[in-house]
Amino acid sequence: ETAVFQTPNYHVTQVGNEVSFNCKQTLGHDTMYWYKQDSKKLLKIMFSYNNKQLIVNETVPRRFSPQSSDKAHLNLRIKSVEPEDSAVYLCASSYSGGVNQAPLFGEGTRLSVL
Amino acid sequence: TQTVSQSDAHVTVFEGDSVELRCNYSYGGSIYLSWYIQHHGRGLQFLLKYYSGNPVVQGVNGFEAEFSKSDSSFHLRKASVHWSDSAVYFCAVMGGSNAKLTFGKGTKLSVKS
Repeated sequence: ETAVFQTPNYHVTQVGNEVSFNCKQTLGHDTMYWYKQDSKKLLKIMFSYNNKQLIVNETVPRRFSPQSSDKAHLNLRIKSVEPEDSAVYLCASSYSGGVNQAPLFGEGTRLSVL
Repeated sequence: TQTVSQSDAHVTVFEGDSVELRCNYSYGGSIYLSWYIQHHGRGLQFLLKYYSGNPVVQGVNGFEAEFSKSDSSFHLRKASVHWSDSAVYFCAVMGGSNAKLTFGKGTKLSVKS
């Protein structure tokens, strides 16, 4: 099956802890993204990688760091979570720039920070 | 700077009705537009896209959208909705060689039987 896979589906943690989310795509795409969806369903891009190189880095707190081992994997680490980090984190992938093919999304990782 | 606006936060229709979900954008150059659907508790599913050519594009499950440069719009339509179409619909825009999609705030579609 070709798609975008995210783990875990859900994660509950406490303020100050470190968390890590994984994303893998088996579509052969060369660009991957992380989006954050807040409680009001608003979607905002956080990072974008093309062939393991960071190409988009929005204004995101420094405790967030993306990690890419190859073009099929893009993980997200949050060093010391804050209550406002509670959200759904969506991973997506596409071919370069996404113009010729729409980014396809995973099912998301739901983070709750207590 | 690319922006996208979805004027309706919530639309309610009955099964079998037609529906139009509105999307307006602003960007000065070549633009790439798309629609996604998000069912409750799920990720985003791609519906359709427009970049060039025929301004009316067909998508999955009977959805279509029409691009209008003069109105800066990309409205989504369906002739006859089903209860399973109840979801949140997002319009998205990507400008030029930009590598990021900018999403609207979403329109929640509720289909009553």
